[in-house]
Amino acid sequence: DAKTTQPNSMESNEEEPVHLPCNHSTISGTDYIHWYRQLPSQGPEYVIHGLTSNVNNRMASLAIAEDRKSSTLILHRATLRDAAVYYCILSPTGYALNFGKGTSLLVTP
Amino acid sequence: DVKVTQSSRYLVKRTGEKVFLECVQDMDHENMFWYRQDPGLGLRLIYFSYDVKMKEKGDIPEGYSVSREKKERFSLILESASTNQTSMYLCASWTRLSTDTQYFGPGTRLTVL
Repeated sequence: DAKTTQPNSMESNEEEPVHLPCNHSTISGTDYIHWYRQLPSQGPEYVIHGLTSNVNNRMASLAIAEDRKSSTLILHRATLRDAAVYYCILSPTGYALNFGKGTSLLVTP
Repeated sequence: DVKVTQSSRYLVKRTGEKVFLECVQDMDHENMFWYRQDPGLGLRLIYFSYDVKMKEKGDIPEGYSVSREKKERFSLILESASTNQTSMYLCASWTRLSTDTQYFGPGTRLTVL
């Protein structure tokens, strides 16, 4: 499986944008980039995914580098409820997801 | 909304007991997954199923078995529980017909004494 590298933790102030980076230099052409997050005491929840183009949805935006070797999850205005562990995962569509350790995001008022 | 439910949020069992963890999804998804989550190790895939009566081993199947007799239900079985199986167990479901999202249940925290 192609591997991802994320910072262990990041901190943000409430109401400010957050950029969560992910490096995936060994990504293959069929790998989608998925982002999930896990709030305390809950199962993971889907955030966003993409293949080559940048993607937007109501939760976040996903910016994918032109060479696809890195991507950034963008939370436009962090709230306290966004404090969670964020996972960047590579997977061909339809396959089980290989979760790593993720980035623990702390949001301070 | 897709709903994935797990039979228990917390479970305490003794070493050697047979343990059943049940997962039910209500959206007719063909694929279902069992993961375990441990501090510092992230989520690891135990087994998955892509159809009724079909199963595939994940990364850490040893000590576990699964059953998928009905499409909506995927059971994880610990034939003889051991203390190293103390963990958080997460079930997920997925269908190709949706946005490629895996939907997770709330998890079962299993403690084996």
